[in-house]
Amino acid sequence: EVQMVESGGGLVQPGGSLRLSCAASGFTVSSTYMSWVRQAPGKGLDWVSVLYSGGSTYYADSVKGRFTISRDNSKNTLFLQMNSLRPEDTAVYYCARGGNYDYWGQGTLVTVSS
Amino acid sequence: QPVLTQPPSSSASPGESARLTCTLPSDINVGRYNIYWYQQKPGSPPRYLLYYHSDSAKGQGSGVPSRFSGSKDASANTGILLISGLQSEDEADYYCMIWPSNAWVFGGGTKLTVL
Repeated sequence: EVQMVESGGGLVQPGGSLRLSCAASGFTVSSTYMSWVRQAPGKGLDWVSVLYSGGSTYYADSVKGRFTISRDNSKNTLFLQMNSLRPEDTAVYYCARGGNYDYWGQGTLVTVSS
Repeated sequence: QPVLTQPPSSSASPGESARLTCTLPSDINVGRYNIYWYQQKPGSPPRYLLYYHSDSAKGQGSGVPSRFSGSKDASANTGILLISGLQSEDEADYYCMIWPSNAWVFGGGTKLTVL
C-alpha cells in the first residue's frame, strides 16, 4: 500500500528555518517524481517544488533561492529545507507522488508568525 | 506561470450532473496537455480523480467511480470534469491541474455544493 507521511511543520518566526520530511512506503521515492505542494489557509493548491528521479530539481519562483528539495534513498524519504521563511509561506505542505500526483500525504502545517 | 480559471462555485441536486470547467490562458492550447482533476474535502488532502488528454488517452484514479469523467472543449480552450448521478458525498472542492514543463499549475478550485 502506498503511503506518505509528512512531518516537521510547526510555528516559526519570520526569517527562520524548518525542514519538512515525507516518509514514503509502498514505493521507492527515487524511482519517480516527487513534489511539494502547499495550501494556505482557506486557499487553493500551490505547487512548490519537484525532484525528478534523475536528480533534477525545480522550484516555484516564490520559493526559489530559499527552499531546497532533496531525498534520502536509504530512508525512502523526501525533504524540503525551508530558509528565510516569510508569513506568506504559512500553509499546509503536502508531498505528492509522480507527475499526476496520484498519491498525497496528509500534510503538515507550517505557520510563520512573530 | 499560466493561470487556470475555474468558477469559484457550482451547485446541482442529487442525481443530476455537474459540469466543472477549467479554462486555460489563450496562449496555451488545451489540446496539447493532459488535464488532471482532484477532489478535496475539508480537512483532507486532495484525492486524484482522473486525467484527460483525449478519448484515447485518459486515465481514472484508483477506486474512482466511472461517473467521474473528463473531456475538453477545444473551442473554449477548456478542460471539463463531468460528474454524473451526483451524490451528497461529491460535495467538495475540485481542482484542475496541468503540467506544462518543469512546473505544475493548479486552477483556483471550484466548490461544488450538492443541494
